[in-house]
Amino acid sequence: EPEVTQTPSHQVTQMGQEVILRCVPISNHLYFYWYRQILGQKVEFLVSFYNNEISEKSEIFDDQFSVERPDGSNFTLKIRSTKLEDSAMYFCASSEVRSRGNQPQHFGDGTRLSIL
Amino acid sequence: AQSVTQPDIHITVSEGASLELRCNYSYGATPYLFWYVQSPGQGLQLLLKYFSGDTLVQGIKGFEAEFKRSQSSFNLRKPSVHWSDAAEYFCAVGARGGSNYKLTFGKGTLLTVNP
Repeated sequence: EPEVTQTPSHQVTQMGQEVILRCVPISNHLYFYWYRQILGQKVEFLVSFYNNEISEKSEIFDDQFSVERPDGSNFTLKIRSTKLEDSAMYFCASSEVRSRGNQPQHFGDGTRLSIL
Repeated sequence: AQSVTQPDIHITVSEGASLELRCNYSYGATPYLFWYVQSPGQGLQLLLKYFSGDTLVQGIKGFEAEFKRSQSSFNLRKPSVHWSDAAEYFCAVGARGGSNYKLTFGKGTLLTVNP
């Protein structure tokens, strides 16, 4: 069964450094999402992306965050200057577009980001 | 804004026993509803979904859930739990409005299965 793949599985970064989290969505999916889960807290929506632009973003997704689809397969989340509170598990998800209705989101295994 | 409540933080059942995990949502209209499962070190796997139609939905691994509009609930059930079902379970709601929707998750219920 096709999967969403995320790399790396664990990223350790110094505070203030830039980090890029990478995702390869399922190949025929056109909607892409990032969520994060701070340890012990809920999974929270960050941003959705369609047709090469952001569809919706949460208040968490401030100017330090950006997303990009640099080629036909990758979908990236960049944090420009990391803070301690950015430490979390980041999940990428994707879903299909079908004319007959809405489709569920499929998640990757996540990238654990640790900010030192 | 939508929200999800999972009242039980941790549930322990014996293998072979039945299971019901509770989920209540708040949303102004009929929402999209989902259950995801997360095993340690793994991502979120979709168990089942409700978009419309039959309010009793079947999922993978023998799970089912029933949408009850009057109670704003979408409880997950399994008649006989297996040790491999031990994991964390998340209920989520998606706002209607098109194919592109954000998910709002509950805090999760951790399921422990005793032999």
